[in-house]
Amino acid sequence: EDKVVQSPLSLVVHEGDTVTLNCSYEVTNFRSLLWYKQEKKAPTFLFMLTSSGIEKKSGRLSSILDKKELSSILNITATQTGDSAIYLCAVPYNNNDMRFGAGTRLTVKP
Amino acid sequence: EAQVTQNPRYLITVTGKKLTVTCSQNMNHEYMSWYRQDPGLGLRQIYYSMNVEVTDKGDVPEGYKVSRKEKRNFPLILESPSPNQTSLYFCASSLSRGSGQFFGPGTRLTVL
Repeated sequence: EDKVVQSPLSLVVHEGDTVTLNCSYEVTNFRSLLWYKQEKKAPTFLFMLTSSGIEKKSGRLSSILDKKELSSILNITATQTGDSAIYLCAVPYNNNDMRFGAGTRLTVKP
Repeated sequence: EAQVTQNPRYLITVTGKKLTVTCSQNMNHEYMSWYRQDPGLGLRQIYYSMNVEVTDKGDVPEGYKVSRKEKRNFPLILESPSPNQTSLYFCASSLSRGSGQFFGPGTRLTVL
């Protein structure tokens, strides 16, 4: 069965720490993997990854895809309290469906 | 401003009373979809649409209907709501399948 698994489910760090969030997938006909950040309301798009080994970067956030390992990581350096959110990973599968992982809840303490 | 709008934002209703949640996007996106989000279950896709008059079932379509008569609108219809449809609903759109989606603000539905 196609699935998307994120780890850890929950993470508590202090400001300034660096965190690494994981997403693994098992889908046929892989096309892309997407990362989203969900604070109190709707998810907002962070990155789309299609090629292995090419890092996408936005400020303190970066992400990379490993097609061999069927996984992706999202790194956040020098975390701030504003980074506290649920981080979601999503992969299109079958024809056009989109499957989301359960998310990683990140809490950054001052 | 590029956005996805949903209405209503909050709705409390009773079992069996038909309702429609509207969704509209102003970005000329082809791909639109509906999700529900429940604690412990994450985001699950209900229906999606590749383009006008093209819709298909996602993971949890039972009890829902959709239509895509115009590119910008993608309403979600609950013909006979039941309490297990109490949830937070999101509409989303993107340029194409598999690309980053813009999400609406969400509709919190309670069915008594």
